[in-house]
Amino acid sequence: NAGVTQTPKFRILKIGQSMTLQCTQDMNHNYMYWYRQDPGMGLKLIYYSVGAGITDKGEVPNGYNVSRSTTEDFPLRLELAAPSQTSVYFCASSYRTVFLQGTDTQYFGPGTRLTVL
Amino acid sequence: EDKVVQSPLSLVVHEGDTVTLNCSYEVTNFRSLLWYKQEKKAPTFLFMLTSSGIEKKSGRLSSILDKKELFSILNITATQTGDSAVYLCAVEAIQGAQKLVFGQGTRLTINP
Repeated sequence: NAGVTQTPKFRILKIGQSMTLQCTQDMNHNYMYWYRQDPGMGLKLIYYSVGAGITDKGEVPNGYNVSRSTTEDFPLRLELAAPSQTSVYFCASSYRTVFLQGTDTQYFGPGTRLTVL
Repeated sequence: EDKVVQSPLSLVVHEGDTVTLNCSYEVTNFRSLLWYKQEKKAPTFLFMLTSSGIEKKSGRLSSILDKKELFSILNITATQTGDSAVYLCAVEAIQGAQKLVFGQGTRLTINP
């Protein structure tokens, strides 16, 4: 099992450029999440998904978009990159049953370090 | 607004010392509190706490939750240089999607 994988590991963007951060999990988890971590800070939730075709906003969604067409993949799109989006981005996944029993922890990918200049 | 505050923000100790990291929270409809260890990359799970007063242990690490006073502590005994990391506390409210609110983390440095 690879767990949660993210690509790329590093990226430098110019202001106004767009890009997609890829996230894939092979644990058949239904829940997936995108976080950003600014230097010296904890993680903040950007978007999450409770299953294929269902996404919702987290704490800091502005400037980002997501889609979830399959259980495995949860890409994060930056349309017009801004310096404020310089951060480390983590994707995570977890498994929750329909009746919220058997709470599982979130498993994190290795992160993508993004710099916007 | 849900909030998690960790203290201290930074801690430097010598190998063999015992450390206590603190996490206080304000959250509507508390469900669980989680501790993660973050070295250079992704956070790795340590503990999940849902009930007051029940200590969870894993080797030299232990944690306990106080739901009345709204805090948790993470203890590390006989620290080793490999314990150097950022320790993150996160709280989950009762919702469908396990949305976690993270504290800012405590950076722990263990000197030989």
